[in-house]
Amino acid sequence: AQSVTQLDSQVPVFEEAPVELRCNYSSSVSVYLFWYVQYPNQGLQLLLKYLSGSTLVKSINGFEAEFNKSQTSFHLRKPSVHISDTAEYFCAVTSMNYGGSQGNLIFGKGTKLSVKP
Amino acid sequence: DARVTQTPRHKVTEMGQEVTMRCQPILGHNTVFWYRQTMMQGLELLAYFRNRAPLDDSGMPKDRFSAEMPDATLATLKIQPSEPRDSAVYFCASGPTTGTYNEQFFGPGTRLTVL
Repeated sequence: AQSVTQLDSQVPVFEEAPVELRCNYSSSVSVYLFWYVQYPNQGLQLLLKYLSGSTLVKSINGFEAEFNKSQTSFHLRKPSVHISDTAEYFCAVTSMNYGGSQGNLIFGKGTKLSVKP
Repeated sequence: DARVTQTPRHKVTEMGQEVTMRCQPILGHNTVFWYRQTMMQGLELLAYFRNRAPLDDSGMPKDRFSAEMPDATLATLKIQPSEPRDSAVYFCASGPTTGTYNEQFFGPGTRLTVL
């Protein structure tokens, strides 16, 4: 079984400051990792994902996350945040399923990022 | 632009009433998930279906909740009777089963308030 821990429930930052949202996971098997973002009154949207290959993955809006297997982490970073980045961010994990069938995402509790002017 | 749609977006009802939430998955997706989101518990998986068959509904209170897929274009989540503790946002997500990863596309949610 897998589990996800997001260490910070809320992260307030000022506009243009860097931010890191932390995510640690636990799993006895190899995993795929995801970050989802939820803007107010909306559903979750996929922000970025790690499947294989380069451990550093990037989104189109400047976020990046690095898979660290030894530390079982997948922290999300952005060097300079905007007001529009204010949202809740969810880290999620699922086991690699070599049969190709779809399994469940295990979500963390979420981190609310609040960007202040 | 393919999207998961959910109806209604908001529902206010009184305790004891039946509530039905509907979801239209993205065309071609054959896996459907129901989640519940509350401040206290975060996101909880209630049930999921593949090819319209329920694969896991262990997260769902069986005495009052039921989930079905009458056809490939409609998934329903029903609560009967509803209770105030059921107040939450309910999300439907759908995904393809091709490939080796498990991306899910979420709908906008149904915000349920049970008085």
